[in-house]
Amino acid sequence: DTGVSQDPRHKITKRGQNVTFRCDPISEHNRLYWYRQTLGQGPEFLTYFQNEAQLEKSRLLSDRFSAERPKGSFSTLEIQRTEQGDSAMYLCASSIDDRISVTEAFFGQGTRLTVV
Amino acid sequence: AQTVTQSQPEMSVQEAETVTLSCTYDTSENNYYLFWYKQPPSRQMILVIRQEAYKQQNATENRFSVNFQKAAKSFSLKISDSQLGDTAMYFCAFLRYSGNTPLVFGKGTRLSVIA
Repeated sequence: DTGVSQDPRHKITKRGQNVTFRCDPISEHNRLYWYRQTLGQGPEFLTYFQNEAQLEKSRLLSDRFSAERPKGSFSTLEIQRTEQGDSAMYLCASSIDDRISVTEAFFGQGTRLTVV
Repeated sequence: AQTVTQSQPEMSVQEAETVTLSCTYDTSENNYYLFWYKQPPSRQMILVIRQEAYKQQNATENRFSVNFQKAAKSFSLKISDSQLGDTAMYFCAFLRYSGNTPLVFGKGTRLSVIA
């Protein structure tokens, strides 16, 4: 396993279009996070999953954002009707967190979204 | 909700010198994890060091060590013998032990190591 993989690495889209990003976590990791990061800022929490269950979604996240993790494996993050303010790096991370053992979160390289 | 504060937006250090990055957090929990992550320019985030709150001994990883003050809710990172490759954004992060809460990050400190 080579780590957390995100696809695509870069996405340019026109305002109003829908986009979907994919994250493949490290295979045995049960927890998966999505974060948004703008230049020079810290990762802003969007949502996270424990296996296939979405446990929390940030209150800052509009209804245009949705995420899934079918079967507790890969995850997708969809943004509908994109706006210029959605331009950012979208980071995915995975970890083990089963109350017996907890690992650090391992990050993917991110998907850079530019809305024009 | 847990919050993580990094009060130094930017810092610089001469090569081979020592620098300390500050982090404070707010929680009512007794058991939790703290992390320092490094994000080099245009590269992915990687773990530098982690600390379990129940451990009194400060974690160390080669040139990196922490000063964990549980009562003060402080978790600073010391980098000794700074190298040019240490230039990066550094993020402090908090994870509650009892689960069902996300990993929370501070806003980061941009560290520049100067030759």
